[in-house]
Amino acid sequence: DTAVSQTPKYLVTQMGNDKSIKCEQNLGHDTMYWYKQDSKKFLKIMFSYNNKELIINETVPNRFSPKSPDKAHLNLHINSLELGDSAVYFCASSPGVTGNTIYFGEGSWLTVV
Amino acid sequence: GQNIDQPTEMTATEGAIVQINCTYQTSGFNGLFWYQQHAGEAPTFLSYNVLDGLEEKGRFSSFLSRSKGYSYLLLKELQMKDSASYLCAVDRTGGFKTIFGAGTRLFVKA
Repeated sequence: DTAVSQTPKYLVTQMGNDKSIKCEQNLGHDTMYWYKQDSKKFLKIMFSYNNKELIINETVPNRFSPKSPDKAHLNLHINSLELGDSAVYFCASSPGVTGNTIYFGEGSWLTVV
Repeated sequence: GQNIDQPTEMTATEGAIVQINCTYQTSGFNGLFWYQQHAGEAPTFLSYNVLDGLEEKGRFSSFLSRSKGYSYLLLKELQMKDSASYLCAVDRTGGFKTIFGAGTRLFVKA
């Protein structure tokens, strides 16, 4: 069974469109994250949620809106997509407290044309 | 602020030993992770150091010096499958926020 699963894996869309990426974890973790990995492979945290509550928002444009209906799900909605949004988006989860391993989903490859 | 530095690329020969260095400057440091990421795949956990010193786990070892803001990952008996990116990541106090370096791409050649 996949521990952290996200869909879709590949997404090609035009500038200006709105798209969503869904994420679910079956590990029973309290904390979920969205990371963005750009073309230079730099993995940067975007959001962190703990028990459905937003903990960290790393100066991400407000076109990006995460939603956590329950602690096992963290979806990412992106409005008015721009070329610079093209990247791999990784969903992840962890038990939440300091020192715990982060488990990543397989990534969603977003290409904006 | 916070800063994590590691070499962009390294090349080593199959069967050899390679050391990947990482230096960091950050507030609220709690520990340091190393993750491995193969091309097109998700990062996976390799090691976590909280205390100074060397921790060995099979062919991989990780070292931490908190006073120097320095860590390294040591890979022994290199195999072709070790070709991947190795990400150094700082675990900050308070949880919820692990900061990753840009990664070191390791190429293992025959």
